[in-house]
Amino acid sequence: NAGVMQNPRHLVRRRGQEARLRCSPMKGHSHVYWYRQLPEEGLKFMVYLQKENIIDESGMPKERFSAEFPKEGPSILRIQQVVRGDSAAYFCASSPGFSLNEKLFFGSGTQLSVL
Amino acid sequence: GQNIDQPTEMTATEGAIVQINCTYQTSGFNGLFWYQQHAGEAPTFLSYNVLDGLEEKGRFSSFLSRSKGYSYLLLKELQMKDSASYLCAVFTGGGNKLTFGTGTQLKVEL
Repeated sequence: NAGVMQNPRHLVRRRGQEARLRCSPMKGHSHVYWYRQLPEEGLKFMVYLQKENIIDESGMPKERFSAEFPKEGPSILRIQQVVRGDSAAYFCASSPGFSLNEKLFFGSGTQLSVL
Repeated sequence: GQNIDQPTEMTATEGAIVQINCTYQTSGFNGLFWYQQHAGEAPTFLSYNVLDGLEEKGRFSSFLSRSKGYSYLLLKELQMKDSASYLCAVFTGGGNKLTFGTGTQLKVEL
């Protein structure tokens, strides 16, 4: 009974490197969401994807950040040329996609630390 | 813009009752969620309100007033394990975009 799986749990990168965060949604879920959480702050929406489509990327920085959810395999959040300000917890959530306003199921997050 | 306000932190005693308030001013409203998040862990679903009134689920209840842009989460018979951050979140606009408040850090003491 796997829930939303994220890996790695912790990721350390040096400034200028690339970070790849992976998210496998719950079985049967076709909608994926990425959120970022900074210390003492709330979860900030980044991007909402369905299989092979980006539905809403209004919360994602225009540069260096990209996301995909391919037909096969996990969703990937990619951060190029990381900077210290990218250090945060990145959470992925999924929902079935049957209707609007569905409950989101969250993964345990990836803690990204940029040195 | 979207604005969701909740107190930053609260302290309560084991066995007591605590009410965590949330007010929101959003463009569009399609329902309000409460999530619980322990430090370093995934947020977990507690409750969902889309109509005015009280939803009760065991020790947890959630209330919504759409006309006032107001909700609260009520926790009864507090236990030490209830110490966590409680997140208020609103579905805004179309689709499934969930906007979160900054969370209320609840500390339960003996």
